[in-house]
Amino acid sequence: TQLLEQSPQFLSIQEGENLTVYCNSSSVFSSLQWYRQEPGEGPVLLVTVVTGGEVKKLKRLTFQFGDARKDSSLHITAAQPGDTGLYLCASTYNTDKLIFGTGTRLQVFP
Amino acid sequence: SAVISQKPSRDICQRGTSLTIQCQVDSQVTMMFWYRQQPGQSLTLIATANQGSEATYESGFVIDKFPISRPNLTFSTLTVSNMSPEDSSIYLCSVEVQGTEQFFGPGTRLTVL
Repeated sequence: TQLLEQSPQFLSIQEGENLTVYCNSSSVFSSLQWYRQEPGEGPVLLVTVVTGGEVKKLKRLTFQFGDARKDSSLHITAAQPGDTGLYLCASTYNTDKLIFGTGTRLQVFP
Repeated sequence: SAVISQKPSRDICQRGTSLTIQCQVDSQVTMMFWYRQQPGQSLTLIATANQGSEATYESGFVIDKFPISRPNLTFSTLTVSNMSPEDSSIYLCSVEVQGTEQFFGPGTRLTVL
């Protein structure tokens, strides 16, 4: 069974601060996805990274895929209360099933 | 993309009863998935439901407890049978579109007393 570990588990910060969330696996990812889930909703896909070393930016969010494709990070610059939610990494590991990480719950206070 | 709706959005049920959750997609999809999200936790895959075949269950989940139907390419149901308080969770369905991208329904929040 594949295991995706995320850290930190919880993060509580003030508006304007920067933060980084990490996702690690003991196995190589085929590709890696990052989702955000807000209360009362299902997860929404933010980005997919495929190539080792790849960096993708989505406004204030920067996603990085490790060179060995076994880790990834999500960096948020100048966090806003609207960034509050559960951040999940996920991978299919070249199967037809999406396996989710343990999750990072982010709370941004105004 | 795909728009997914689930019914009910939430329910409170008594121990020993069963609840059927419906998942409707606005387009035809081959693969549909059911997940469980226990309070404060991440998502765990229950089963994969393909039209025209029996659902494939993940380790720890069995058909007697979580029977699934997939009568056509836009609809699926998940039943949580003989419920206990440990079944209190959010149940989500998702569909796969264009390879590995998945879209999720809003979830059904189940509380078992």
